[in-house]
Amino acid sequence: AAGVIQSPRHLIKEKRETATLKCYPIPRHDTVYWYQQGPGQDPQFLISFYEKMQSDKGSIPDRFSAQQFSDYHSELNMSSLELGDSALYFCASSPPRTGEQYFGPGTRLTVT
Amino acid sequence: AQSVTQLGSHVSVSEGALVLLRCNYSSSVPPYLFWYVQYPNQGLQLLLKYTTGATLVKGINGFEAEFKKSETSFHLTKPSAHMSDAAEYFCAVSLGSNYKLTFGKGTLLTVNP
Repeated sequence: AAGVIQSPRHLIKEKRETATLKCYPIPRHDTVYWYQQGPGQDPQFLISFYEKMQSDKGSIPDRFSAQQFSDYHSELNMSSLELGDSALYFCASSPPRTGEQYFGPGTRLTVT
Repeated sequence: AQSVTQLGSHVSVSEGALVLLRCNYSSSVPPYLFWYVQYPNQGLQLLLKYTTGATLVKGINGFEAEFKKSETSFHLTKPSAHMSDAAEYFCAVSLGSNYKLTFGKGTLLTVNP
């Protein structure tokens, strides 16, 4: 079965640089979510899109932005990177009316 | 608003023993409840969910959980632990379809031979 695809899997950036993370949801899923998981932490919700419109926003820094495109893939853009941004970034998608969220393998971002 | 409390950041059991991971939730509306498992350096895999209906839900890999509204609990159990069950387990709550997940702090399960 198709799964959520995230790219890249690993990313190393320096402070103050910019990063773009990509997510390809499972076909026919109508909602995409982004989460951030710091070392030894639980995942924290960043932002979500329902049918390509932003539907909810969590503790996402103003330096971060995200969008969902016409083909349903989503991108998380992160600027002015800080050491504290080092984390696993997960994308998840959910099929209509189930509440289930299926997670991708994550992108491990390291900021040096 | 919603929140999740997982009692015990680390649970250790012997292979073949009962697994019991505790989860209590707080929600302003009838919750959707989930258990996810995370193996090292991997994504989160959905084990099981409760939305409505039968309060005892069965998931993958022999796990099950029971929704108890009066106790605001959703504990995860498995009758007999396998070595392959060693992982981090997260309980999560949401307000419904298309809503974000709020996770507990996680419980690391260790299975001893």
